[in-house]
Amino acid sequence: QKEVEQDPGPLSVPEGAIVSLNCTYSNSAFQYFMWYRQYSRKGPELLMYTYSSGNKEDGRFTAQVDKSSKYISLFIRDSQPSDSATYLCAMSALQGAQKLVFGQGTRLTINP
Amino acid sequence: ETGVTQTPRHLVMGMTNKKSLKCEQHLGHNAMYWYKQSAKKPLELMFVYNFKEQTENNSVPSRFSPECPNSSHLFLHLHTLQPEDSALYLCASSQDRRNTYEQYFGPGTRLTVT
Repeated sequence: QKEVEQDPGPLSVPEGAIVSLNCTYSNSAFQYFMWYRQYSRKGPELLMYTYSSGNKEDGRFTAQVDKSSKYISLFIRDSQPSDSATYLCAMSALQGAQKLVFGQGTRLTINP
Repeated sequence: ETGVTQTPRHLVMGMTNKKSLKCEQHLGHNAMYWYKQSAKKPLELMFVYNFKEQTENNSVPSRFSPECPNSSHLFLHLHTLQPEDSALYLCASSQDRRNTYEQYFGPGTRLTVT
């Protein structure tokens, strides 16, 4: 079993839709949960990170962590064609104690 | 220049060649990382440097040799590579090893081994 599972998609939705991207994990020691966005031919860009459980909002993006279910989500409201990219989840345990473990990435396309 | 830069952006090399990838970060960070990104696979951590000292080698074959002369520069020296080493090689940095959750990536070097 992989430590982090992420559906690779592809996921295609119309402009303006609410997008839900998800990852599940098996390691209960994970404390930090990150979402990266990667455009084609570019490196990953950190969108946001969350420590432990709860929600975090940044503009149209909301990250949720449910540690009891070992499940994290990224919601994108009012999706735009410019949101079309691959979204990577990543997790780590204690500060400096463990490396980042990435999901495979979900390829998202927002259709105008 | 801002952020994390990598050169070259594209590299084609034969299995007997020797080449080097370069990474430079302009963020004042002290930790730097090399990752390998292959199609349909998660990012794989290769090496970690913290304050110029290598702190992690993730069972990487010896045909990959990292070098970190200072906190701003990171190199990956390549020799006698195999076709399966073709991938996107990404460099990242963070404030230090404790801030692994906040890493900033460069654009990557697309490597093709023929």
